[in-house]
Amino acid sequence: EDQVTQSPEALRLQEGESSSLNCSYTVSGLRGLFWYRQDPGKGPEFLFTLYSAGEEKEKERLKATLTKKESFLHITAPKPEDSATYLCAVHTITGGGNKLTFGTGTQLKVEL
Amino acid sequence: DSGVTQTPKHLITATGQRVTLRCSPRSGDLSVYWYQQSLDQGLQFLIQYYNGEERAKGNILERFSAQQFPDLHSELNLSSLELGDSALYFCASSVGIGDRPYEQYFGPGTRLTVT
Repeated sequence: EDQVTQSPEALRLQEGESSSLNCSYTVSGLRGLFWYRQDPGKGPEFLFTLYSAGEEKEKERLKATLTKKESFLHITAPKPEDSATYLCAVHTITGGGNKLTFGTGTQLKVEL
Repeated sequence: DSGVTQTPKHLITATGQRVTLRCSPRSGDLSVYWYQQSLDQGLQFLIQYYNGEERAKGNILERFSAQQFPDLHSELNLSSLELGDSALYFCASSVGIGDRPYEQYFGPGTRLTVT
């Protein structure tokens, strides 16, 4: 069974204090790994897709990397507006379709 | 704004009742997915439709069903509701299907409360 584990569950940072979020996965036939941001009561917002080990993607203060067993979301010099829950998900083929299997997320709080 | 719309935003109903949640995908997207998000389970995949046909099923209860119409909008029907069905229900859409992991764009969700 596909499994996605995110750590830490919660993270509190001071503004400007860089850190990394971890997503480890066990899946047969990984086609891609996604990162999403979710604000309370809202739908997940797409951030990145990573397709293969060694790949990196960047967007503003966020950088996502992928190895064969895990992915990291690095947050450089975060600001309070980066506070949100960050979700990773693995894309797998199932039957005649496909699905995303999500981790439970890391709740990030950035304080002034 | 992802371009995916969902109605209603909130729904409060009693146990044993039946409700219908509606989703319109982004323009041009043929694939629609339904997910359930509860506090203890996280985001769980329910079902996928592509161009009107069911293509993948996840942990969807037999009391739940879905369909995708010719105009590509989708409905999720929940019947014989129980307290444990209270959750956020999200619809997502993507342009395609298959080996390539197309990005899924999520709607704002429907918050269902069963009393």
